[in-house]
Amino acid sequence: EVQLLESGGGLVQPGGSLRLSCGASGFTFSNYAMNWVRQAPGKGLEWVSVIRGGGSYTYYADSVKGRFTISRDNAKDTLYLQMNSLRADDTAIYYCAKTTQWRGAFDYWGQGALVTVSS
Amino acid sequence: QSALTQPASVSGSPGQSITISCTGTSSDIGDYNSVSWYQQHPGKAPKLMIYDVRNRPSGISNRFSGSKSGNTASLTISGLQAEDEADYYCSSYTNFNTWVFGGGTKLTVL
Repeated sequence: EVQLLESGGGLVQPGGSLRLSCGASGFTFSNYAMNWVRQAPGKGLEWVSVIRGGGSYTYYADSVKGRFTISRDNAKDTLYLQMNSLRADDTAIYYCAKTTQWRGAFDYWGQGALVTVSS
Repeated sequence: QSALTQPASVSGSPGQSITISCTGTSSDIGDYNSVSWYQQHPGKAPKLMIYDVRNRPSGISNRFSGSKSGNTASLTISGLQAEDEADYYCSSYTNFNTWVFGGGTKLTVL
C-alpha cells in the first residue's frame, strides 16, 4: 500500500524558514517524480514544485521560484521542501503527491502539513 | 501559469448527470493528453478520479468519465449520488515543465 506522510509544518514568522518532509512507502520511490501541492485556507489547489526520480531535475511555480527548494533522498525514501523568505500568502496545507509518470497525474497524496506564516 | 478555468459551482439531483468544464490554453490542455481530475471532500486530501483525459484508476466508479476537445476538458458524473457532493479540480501538465490546476468546482447534490 502506497503511503505518504508529511511532517515539519507549523507556525513561522514572515521572512522565516521551514523545511517540510514527506516519507514514502509502498512503492519504489526513486522511480517516480514527486511533487508538492498546496492549498490556502478555503482556496483551491496550487501546484508548487516537482522533482524527477533521480533528483537531477526540479521545476517550480513562479510564486515560489527562488524561495523554495525541492529535494529528495532516495536512500531514505523521503521528499523535502525547504521554504525560505516565507510570506503570509504561503500559509496553506502542503501536500506531497506522487506522479504516475512524467507529465502524468497525481495518483497518491499525503494527508498534508499545515504551514502558517504569521507574526 | 494562469489557473485553468472551471465553473465555481454545479448542482444536480440524485440520478441525474452533470458535466464540469475545464478550459485552458494551447500551452497546457490543448497540447497534452495529460488532463486529470480530482475529488476533494472537506478536510480530506484530493483523490484522483480521472487521468490522461479519460482513464479511471482502479476502484473508481464508471459513473465518472472524462473527455477533451481542443483547449477544454470535461468531467461527467452520471447517476449522481449523495456521496459525489464534493469539490472537483482539473489539472494539466504544461509546456513549461509545470502543472496547473483549475480553480475548483463545488458540486451540490440537491
